[in-house]
Amino acid sequence: GDSVTQMEGPVTLSEEAFLTINCTYTATGYPSLFWYVQYPGEGLQLLLKATKADDKGSNKGFEATYRKETTSFHLEKGSVQVSDSAVYFCALRSGGYQKVTFGTGTKLQVIP
Amino acid sequence: SQTIHQWPATLVQPVGSPLSLECTVEGTSNPNLYWYRQAAGRGLQLLFYSVGIGQISSEVPQNLSASRPQDRQFILSSKKLLLSDSGFYLCAWSVAAEQPQHFGDGTRLSIL
Repeated sequence: GDSVTQMEGPVTLSEEAFLTINCTYTATGYPSLFWYVQYPGEGLQLLLKATKADDKGSNKGFEATYRKETTSFHLEKGSVQVSDSAVYFCALRSGGYQKVTFGTGTKLQVIP
Repeated sequence: SQTIHQWPATLVQPVGSPLSLECTVEGTSNPNLYWYRQAAGRGLQLLFYSVGIGQISSEVPQNLSASRPQDRQFILSSKKLLLSDSGFYLCAWSVAAEQPQHFGDGTRLSIL
């Protein structure tokens, strides 16, 4: 079945540091890939997405590239801010299926 | 614009009591609707989804049930809560299966 593996957190960075959160997946066919962000006490918000190989999703300074050869979708940001502190979820959806498979989430804490 | 509302935001219930969580979507018609549970330190687990009024698909067998009495209303219920039902419950909607899902702010359920 489909699965998503994320690096375990928590990840603690200083403000303006470079961020990478690794995500790899296993899926049949050609899934769509997503990154969601969850701020404390809130629901999930879609951060970015990519629907085919080599697509780059980007939003709010974050970006991730759909790498089919390595089955990866790593999240990056060049300079994090305290306001980026949240839990980040990598997710995929295979084909036209309803089910979205989520990773376990990676907590990011940015300190001033 | 579309909005999604969940209530209550927090709920404390004794073991064996009934449950009813409500989710409504505004600004769109015939959305796909989803209920997820997020247990502490874990990813999201899809519980139910619905593609139309009265149409419910269950992903995980449990003592929970879902109903969709109206086009933009999705209800999660239980006749008798278990300790293991504690968690953060999220409702989500999408325009179609292949489109991203948009989440509500969630309900934190504690079972005593």
